[in-house]
Amino acid sequence: SYELTQPPSVSVSPGQTASITCTGDKLGDKYINWYQHKPGQSPMVVIYQDTKRPSGIPERFSGSNSGNTVTLTISGTQAMDEADFYCQAWDSSTVVFGGGTKLTVL
Amino acid sequence: QVQLQESGPGLVKPSETLSLNCGVSGFSISSGYNWDWLRQPPGKGLEWIGSIDHRGRTYYNPSLKSRVTISVDTSKNQISLKLSSVTAADTALYYCARHEIVVVFKPFDIFDFWGQGTMVTVSS
Repeated sequence: SYELTQPPSVSVSPGQTASITCTGDKLGDKYINWYQHKPGQSPMVVIYQDTKRPSGIPERFSGSNSGNTVTLTISGTQAMDEADFYCQAWDSSTVVFGGGTKLTVL
Repeated sequence: QVQLQESGPGLVKPSETLSLNCGVSGFSISSGYNWDWLRQPPGKGLEWIGSIDHRGRTYYNPSLKSRVTISVDTSKNQISLKLSSVTAADTALYYCARHEIVVVFKPFDIFDFWGQGTMVTVSS
């Protein structure tokens, strides 16, 4: 079965840039979505189809896909961005999530 | 605005069947999209359980396929989840979500609306 791998945790200082990676085989052949999940809330898509940002998502969220690595970048990170982030793909009629990355804003 | 609301027992005994419903408002299930169940065990990540489209075609997580049944009731505008032979490992926060899947040369998908989730504990 297909697997997506994320670092368990990423730390960033307020105002700095946070980068969360997601790796998998032949990721360039797939589109990746990123979901932000805060405690007590439902997950929310922040990036879809690798690079697109839904309406209402701040411009500081961006995404890129460079082959076997997809990256979620948060520029000028704010305390409110602290959350778990999951990458997700649709592969062979199944949904695959990465293990999740806890973003801590120190 | 599309809204989803999960409902069902919060406590299920081991070896029994977990049954949940997801009521949808603001959108008719029969109009399209896929409707999915996902879960998050305490302290762990998101796990996809399965999906059903408006025609009743289903897709399941291979690791759960033997125990899962997802169905749709268009008259009630709701989807249902049944998970049989549950164990403590099935204790989780269960979500339903709307899932758009576009199958083209490079398929893409997105979970755009989610319910608030319902906690299910498996314990005797």
